Amino acid sequence: SQQGEEDPQALSIQEGENATMNCSYKTSINNLQWYRQNSGRGLVHLILIRSNEREKHSGRLRVTLDTSKKSSSLLITASRAADTASYFCATAGLSGSEKLVFGKGTKLTVNP
Amino acid sequence: ETGVTQSPTHLIKTRGQQVTLRCSSQSGHNTVSWYQQALGQGPQFIFQYYREEENGRGNFPPRFSGLQFPNYSSELNVNALELDDSALYLCASSVGGRAEAFFGQGTRLTVV
Repeated sequence: SQQGEEDPQALSIQEGENATMNCSYKTSINNLQWYRQNSGRGLVHLILIRSNEREKHSGRLRVTLDTSKKSSSLLITASRAADTASYFCATAGLSGSEKLVFGKGTKLTVNP
Repeated sequence: ETGVTQSPTHLIKTRGQQVTLRCSSQSGHNTVSWYQQALGQGPQFIFQYYREEENGRGNFPPRFSGLQFPNYSSELNVNALELDDSALYLCASSVGGRAEAFFGQGTRLTVV
């Protein structure tokens, strides 16, 4: 069964706008990761945030984590057509092992 | 480009047949995980190998089995294929003890 649930399931925006995707999960975690997937191919690791961190930045990406609400958000600023992809959150359990539990993803479309 | 390669990229099999999928992990990575991704869903954890030993298994029947070799490459074997086994199979490698996983491009398996 899926651990996380991304929201919204689909998002369509114009180039230059910001895109925000949310993820909720059910159990305690060691860390939460965001991945991107283009056209049903391999997953690309975007960012990892640990349970003792609240916010993390990487280029145009900003991730927040609220462990009290068991939720995370991914913000992509100044979006580009090349950002069109599916985005998944994945949680790693308290052991910190590499077993990742994924949500169903948000399909982002950035229109030129 | 993650350095994780999977073969073949596409495969069509008949129900009841057996299939072997292969994965070469990134240099220096001693842990390999396999995931199944059905259309429109997030990846589901099948199992993980660490230094040639199975190190965790998801909710998949015994006809899903695997191997990890001394060079840390890996195989996923599925016996008695069923139509529902049609999916994208993803391999991810990582350094033991770290959570960041690097995924290959996947093998698209179609069972007819």
